[in-house]
Parts: sequence; C-alpha cells; structure tokens
Amino acid sequence: ETGVTQTPRHLVMGMTNKKSLKCEQHLGHNAMYWYKQSAKKPLELMFVYNFKEQTENNSVPSRFSPECPNSSHLFLHLHTLQPEDSALYLCASSPRRVPYEQYFGPGTRLTVT
Amino acid sequence: QQPVQSPQAVILREGEDAVINCSSSKALYSVHWYRQKHGEAPVFLMILLKGGEQKGHEKISASFNEKKQQSSLYLTASQLSYSGTYFCGTPANAGGTSYGKLTFGQGTILTVHP
Repeated sequence: ETGVTQTPRHLVMGMTNKKSLKCEQHLGHNAMYWYKQSAKKPLELMFVYNFKEQTENNSVPSRFSPECPNSSHLFLHLHTLQPEDSALYLCASSPRRVPYEQYFGPGTRLTVT
Repeated sequence: QQPVQSPQAVILREGEDAVINCSSSKALYSVHWYRQKHGEAPVFLMILLKGGEQKGHEKISASFNEKKQQSSLYLTASQLSYSGTYFCGTPANAGGTSYGKLTFGQGTILTVHP
C-alpha cells in the first residue's frame, strides 16, 4: 500500500450514531491533516497534527474529535453529527518542513441522516 | 482570508492554452497548486516559493508575483487529462512557518473537450 489511504470510503450515519474515520499514510511524513470539502465550497482545514501533537484546531465543533496515535495514523471520531456535516472528509500528510506540500487520501463521503 | 481564483470555470478544446489566477489580500510566502478530478482526491501539482524557486509538474508551469500577491498557473497544449478543478492554497502566515496550514481558493473548473 502506498500514499495516503482512508477508510471507509463511504459512510451513512444517523445523528445519534458514533463512528470513526481512519487515515493512514505510507510516505514517512510527520504532519497530518483533516479537511472538510462541501459542495461548492473551498477545502476547509479542520485539524493539523505534527509529530502526533495537535497544532491546529480550526474552530471545529466538539462533535468532531481527532486522534493521532502515531505519525502514520490519524482518526476522526464522529458523534451526534448534524445533516450539515455531510461532506467529503479528506486526510492529507506532508513532510514537516517548508513548504509542506500535501498529499491527499481519496476521502470518506459522509452522509448524515 | 482565502485567496481568490479566476476564472471560476474554463472550457477548452484539446491543444488550447489556459491561465488560472490566484490572488491574495496578504503577503505570500508560497503558493501551492492542486488539481482534483471528479470523485478523486486533490493531487499536488506544484509549489512556488518566495525568491523564485519552483517545484512541481513537468507539463504545467506557473508564475509567482510577490509584489502583486498573486500566482498564475499556465496549462499549455491542454490534454483531456487536464480536466478537473484546480485549487490554489496559501500559507496562513507570511513566514510560511504555519506547519502546513493552508487556506484554499474556491477552485477553477477546467473542462477540456476533444
């Protein structure tokens, strides 16, 4: 397996469910990111992790909870989501040095019913 | 504040050229360009750095005007495979030491027809 992988690729969940998205990178990078991509909106950065430490939380609601157990894995735990949270969630990784070019995974298409 | 891209959409025939612009209201340290095909992940194309260094794609070129705080992406002799949405991303602070925190433009949809 190479690059950045994400599972699941598609997820449908009710507003009371709890689910997790998983991201794994095989590029030897030390920085990982979660983005939200909604229809007709720019990519929105949610969280940034460097060497497993969260360095950025872009005012994301607490119903999204990230976890980074090591430099290769990133999770996004979801609970009590709202229908407006339906979107494509993209994970990315980058080397931890300027200019931080980012490599994206295929994304998880999330639908909240 | 997010950069602004223009145009919002471009339609070309194979072999034609296109220019996509990205403008920022703040000083730029670098500009990142990505392409996203429908249903796929964004793919890194290139980065332009303050001082003129460029890293990226073999068939696509770009310019970076620090004074005007803008970058342009040049797609020459377009191919069908160039179709997709192009995004520019700029670092959150001018020094570039923002640990990869990028703000992306709204995207430019490029369609290449045979």
